[in-house]
Amino acid sequence: QVQLVESGGGVVQPGGSLRLSCAASGFTFSSYVMHWVRQAPGEGLEWVALIWYDGSIKNYADSVKGRFTISRDNSRDTLYLQVSSLRAEDTAVYYCAKERDGFDYWGQGTLVTVSS
Amino acid sequence: QAGLTQPPSVSKGLRQTATLTCTGNSNNVGNQGAAWLQQHQGHPPKLLSYRNNNRPSGISERFSASRSGNTASLTITGLQPEDEADYFCSAWDSSLRAWVFGGGTKLTVL
Repeated sequence: QVQLVESGGGVVQPGGSLRLSCAASGFTFSSYVMHWVRQAPGEGLEWVALIWYDGSIKNYADSVKGRFTISRDNSRDTLYLQVSSLRAEDTAVYYCAKERDGFDYWGQGTLVTVSS
Repeated sequence: QAGLTQPPSVSKGLRQTATLTCTGNSNNVGNQGAAWLQQHQGHPPKLLSYRNNNRPSGISERFSASRSGNTASLTITGLQPEDEADYFCSAWDSSLRAWVFGGGTKLTVL
């Protein structure tokens, strides 16, 4: 069955960086567009970034453009999100999601807390 | 990035029918359709309906999606206690080159 497992979250000071990972299994990872979506505590969902099958196309939300970088390693079936220049408003659970005419599978999420 | 518009809350009685709405524009819902997600407290979202209004495998027939112009709708029939959750719509915006979400509707089953 499809599984997405995020890791790499934690507490970081403003201006700091983290690398989030999402290990995929149960499907042909290299055949799907993948996304990161975040959810601040008590808030709704916010799309963060997407990456095409082969990594050739990447799109970002305006709120993270220039600070976050999405990447993937199809040989390891793993999706990444490098988050830098972090701000308090980046505090959220970060989910990776598989796309098939919508976000059809989600991981459990990894919490990033930006605090001094 | 501009999001989609959903009513913050809807309340309906047990076994009644609830219709949740999601309004966008011609660049997103009107052009690409909307997908619907359900999220229970403390859990990740779950896809209820693809953008083409079809249900993923395993989703109850009580959930059905439709679209008219720039507004998408999710209808839930025979409401059950476990339907109490947050519901989000999502769509690809061809102008923004970004996915957009609605703010979510909290459904209460009385």
